[in-house]
Amino acid sequence: QVQLQESGPRLVKSSETLSLTCSVSGASIRTFSWTWVRHSADKGLEWIGRLDDSGRGNYNPSLRSRVFMSLDLSDNKFSLKLRSVTAADTAVYYCARDRTVEGTDSWGHGILVTVS
Amino acid sequence: QSVLTQSPSASGTPGQMVTMSCSGSNSNIGSNYVYWYQLLPGTAPKLLIYKNNQRPSGVPDRFSGSKSGTSASLAISGLRSEDEGDYYCAGWDNSQNGHYVFGTGTRVTVL
Repeated sequence: QVQLQESGPRLVKSSETLSLTCSVSGASIRTFSWTWVRHSADKGLEWIGRLDDSGRGNYNPSLRSRVFMSLDLSDNKFSLKLRSVTAADTAVYYCARDRTVEGTDSWGHGILVTVS
Repeated sequence: QSVLTQSPSASGTPGQMVTMSCSGSNSNIGSNYVYWYQLLPGTAPKLLIYKNNQRPSGVPDRFSGSKSGTSASLAISGLRSEDEGDYYCAGWDNSQNGHYVFGTGTRVTVL
């Protein structure tokens, strides 16, 4: 059974870069697509982007200019970087496995990141 | 502002059926699959429905999805107190180089 765990700073200063890592166990990141989603009370669920098994990224158009995602094949992890954050980026960030037509079926517990 | 619009709330008493809607367009629901996710307080999202009406292993058959044209719906039959939470439709949108979108969410209250 695949398990995912988000990690990273929980407090980020405005205008700086939010950096999160997702550790994956029970599945190889080489064989699936991986996604980041965030949730806030005012916006609900928001898709941030997806990496396919080749590491190609596809991002939310509203965040595309600030987002970068990458795979770390050696450690079976993938990461998210969001530049120039503001208070509007305060949210619970989830990493998840994207099985494309079969849906996003495995999720991390989420990490609350606050932008001060 | 999401391109998938959901009814903001739904409610029912235990045992009743509740339904919720998700309205999109030809670039999303009209040409791609619909997915439904459940978000309960303090938990991660859970996939309830994929490919419009398929249930992942372990999801009770009380949950059912359907799609017609550019709209979709989720029904919960035999409503239970543990069903109280937020429900989101989602799917791929072909515009702007293609991207995934979530709906605006429906809050389900068990009276």
